[in-house]
Amino acid sequence: GENVEQHPSTLSVQEGDSAVIKCTYSDSASNYFPWYKQELGKRPQLIIDIRSNVGEKKDQRIAVTLNKTAKHFSLHITETQPEDSAVYFCAATPGYSSASKIIFGSGTRLSIRP
Amino acid sequence: DAGITQSPRYKITETGRQVTLMCHQTWSHSYMFWYRQDLGHGLRLIYYSAAADITDKGEVPDGYVVSRSKTENFPLTLESATRSQTSVYFCASSDYSNEQFFGPGTRLTVL
Repeated sequence: GENVEQHPSTLSVQEGDSAVIKCTYSDSASNYFPWYKQELGKRPQLIIDIRSNVGEKKDQRIAVTLNKTAKHFSLHITETQPEDSAVYFCAATPGYSSASKIIFGSGTRLSIRP
Repeated sequence: DAGITQSPRYKITETGRQVTLMCHQTWSHSYMFWYRQDLGHGLRLIYYSAAADITDKGEVPDGYVVSRSKTENFPLTLESATRSQTSVYFCASSDYSNEQFFGPGTRLTVL
């Protein structure tokens, strides 16, 4: 089945700098790649997603890139702010799944240093 | 998101007891999911459902039972709770757009 690996597990950056989180997936038929943000004690919430027919997507300070050949996708956060501190999860939808199922990576705890 | 709720929010039980966690959504989403969240493991899928009366196993289904007699409800039952089932449980729902909306979570402690 689908396997999603995420790195790094923890990341600390200076406020204003950029942060990059990387994920790999195993199922070449996967076609949907969302990113979720989970603040401390809260539920995960979708922040951006990308589909397999697109190589890059941007939403203000957040961007996601997808390399289908290498089965890599990454989250880029620019001009980081204190409210970006959270755990970020990448995920992928297995290509065989017809149930909107997604498989999550293990998460990256991002800390923004003032 | 008031549209998806979970109850109880906190539960303490003992090993061997049966526990049921409730999930209710008001959006009439077709798909519903149960995850458990443990440190170092992220969110692991326990069971999911594509519609009423259609359920399937996820990554870690052992020790859990689900049912879905109505579209809006998706209860998760631990038939005989074990300490290893101590976790935070999230329910989620989605329509055909793939975006999953999560409930607030239930923190379960098994003593």
